[in-house]
Amino acid sequence: QQQVKQSPQSLIVQKGGISIINCAYENTAFDYFPWYQQFPGKGPALLIAIRPDVSEKKEGRFTISFNKSAKQFSLHIMDSQPGDSATYFCAALSKTSYDKVIFGPGTSLSVIP
Amino acid sequence: GAVVSQHPSRVICKSGTSVKIECRSLDFQATTMFWYRQFPKQSLMLMATSNEGSKATYEQGVEKDKFLINHASLTLSTLTVTSAHPEDSSFYICSATRGGWGYTFGSGTRLTVV
Repeated sequence: QQQVKQSPQSLIVQKGGISIINCAYENTAFDYFPWYQQFPGKGPALLIAIRPDVSEKKEGRFTISFNKSAKQFSLHIMDSQPGDSATYFCAALSKTSYDKVIFGPGTSLSVIP
Repeated sequence: GAVVSQHPSRVICKSGTSVKIECRSLDFQATTMFWYRQFPKQSLMLMATSNEGSKATYEQGVEKDKFLINHASLTLSTLTVTSAHPEDSSFYICSATRGGWGYTFGSGTRLTVV
């Protein structure tokens, strides 16, 4: 129940295209859903996050869509750029789980020119 | 704001020796710090959670005697890998929070045991 599923495992997108990464969860106690971006040899950095009372959140080229009834959420990267090439992790946490961040398995995104 | 510094970024040590990794919250007081381990092309695996002045809480399967965690102040937590062996080679990442939903990650430490 603590698991967060993520797909696809890897993604290749043309420059200027839309990158879409999907995640799903089971634990209805989760109440915060961040996305992290990680470059090789670096720690993950928060990209964008959403609470379940909101269906969509947009920050620049990054948008989270959230479907509470389906227990699914997704990250859309518009106008993808080669600099967006990184590994993306969706995550979930709840204040009842001792503040643990539960990470998805990750998606390796490559944006090709 | 919310910067976490992790040191060293890379370390190579001989098998059987111990290595200490530091994690500092530079501009905030961290009520809780977390230590993760990450293997190549895999997700982050939580090793332990530590609160200032308390014993760390280890995840199932993590050897507390091998991975010693000290959280002596609100800005510093250390992870010591004792009697390191090649299988302990990995990327170790710390994270800190001052409460709420803000979690900041360090830049990671690449440990290689030879």
